[in-house]
Amino acid sequence: GAGVSQSPSNKVTEKGKDVELRCDPISGHTALYWYRQSLGQGLEFLIYFQGNSAPDKSGLPSDRFSAERTGGSVSTLTIQRTQQEDSAVYLCASSLFMGYEQYFGPGTRLTVT
Amino acid sequence: AQTVTQSQPEMSVQEAETVTLSCTYDTSESDYYLFWYKQPPSRQMILVIRQEAYKQQNATENRFSVNFQKAAKSFSLKISDSQLGDAAMYFCALNTGTASKLTFGTGTRLQVTL
Repeated sequence: GAGVSQSPSNKVTEKGKDVELRCDPISGHTALYWYRQSLGQGLEFLIYFQGNSAPDKSGLPSDRFSAERTGGSVSTLTIQRTQQEDSAVYLCASSLFMGYEQYFGPGTRLTVT
Repeated sequence: AQTVTQSQPEMSVQEAETVTLSCTYDTSESDYYLFWYKQPPSRQMILVIRQEAYKQQNATENRFSVNFQKAAKSFSLKISDSQLGDAAMYFCALNTGTASKLTFGTGTRLQVTL
């Protein structure tokens, strides 16, 4: 079956602009995760969604970051007023249930100029 | 809080040889899962192998196997009969039942030479 997909693959934006990154999880997976991968910080957890429960936002680095998951499927990560330090690869993953192995998408490389 | 440590930034192995990548972790949870992920230059994270903490038997997946030492909090990955396609970054990751999110190590870059 289809894996996790993410769009866009690459995004270049100017400092101060807002960006939206999209994730389509594997069909039937109830849990969805966002991670950020950067040279200085490695792989960091950002947020996760499990079914209809309130999301765990504990990894979001600032209030400029937000995410939603509509209909228990597609998720959008929004970064407002982007800064150069937001430049990174944003990875989305999904799993059948919380705690099971996570399957990753190809990521979105965000470059803030 | 949990931590994952990979002390080998880079490793090299000759084709057809065996290599072992090290990983240590720390958690106060008794119920947790450990994973090895592979990330080639395409940046797609690929699950290599999974180990449940409650299982004493070491997980194996074809040429990949782990040495899980629970008391020592060690989780190493052995790659047998290395192939050129095994060249990638390898990340060790920990997932506890309560936290669910993955905590990653800093990765080991594996080079495979002819």
